[in-house]
Amino acid sequence: KQEVTQIPAALSVPEGENLVLNCSFTDSAIYNLQWFRQDPGKGLTSLLLIQSSQREQTSGRLNASLDKSSGRSTLYIAASQPGDSATYLCAVKAAGNKLTFGGGTRVLVKP
Amino acid sequence: GAVVSQHPSRVICKSGTSVKIECRSLDFQATTMFWYRQFPKKSLMLMATSNEGSKATYEQGVEKDKFLINHASLTLSTLTVTSAHPEDSSFYICSGLAGGMEQYFGPGTRLTVT
Repeated sequence: KQEVTQIPAALSVPEGENLVLNCSFTDSAIYNLQWFRQDPGKGLTSLLLIQSSQREQTSGRLNASLDKSSGRSTLYIAASQPGDSATYLCAVKAAGNKLTFGGGTRVLVKP
Repeated sequence: GAVVSQHPSRVICKSGTSVKIECRSLDFQATTMFWYRQFPKKSLMLMATSNEGSKATYEQGVEKDKFLINHASLTLSTLTVTSAHPEDSSFYICSGLAGGMEQYFGPGTRLTVT
């Protein structure tokens, strides 16, 4: 059974600092890995999707890497802003199109 | 990206009543939709997978008679919580699968059972 873990569970940084969020998964037989953002009481916003054959994806200040063999992904957010405060979730997609989510990392960027 | 809507966004119901939540894909056809449940400060847990025109597949531990899922068209799936109890209070999120690649998520429905 696939298990996804996110460390740390919570993170507080001053504005301008770079953010590093970690995600690990136990079964490397994945189709892709996706990073989401969730604001309190809201749904999920997809940030980046990395196919299993890819090593990284970039969008603006966001960069996500994937090391499938070691079961790890890292989301980097450069020059953090207060508006980046949210919960970040990673999820892996395996057979049956099912997504397995990590527990999330709650990020607070202090102005 | 593709848009998924949910209705209602919030609902309060009395214990013992049933409540229906709608999930619509607005600009794409979703042959597969997923229903998730999220407890406060917890991650999403998959409840069931529904394919248009067929019965939903429920995850282990999810009562199919309590959480009725109907996926009658390529743009609409409904989740009905029957005989709701306070422990059913949660945040319910649906998603639609677009082109077999990426899931697009709805904004969620906050259910409170009193």
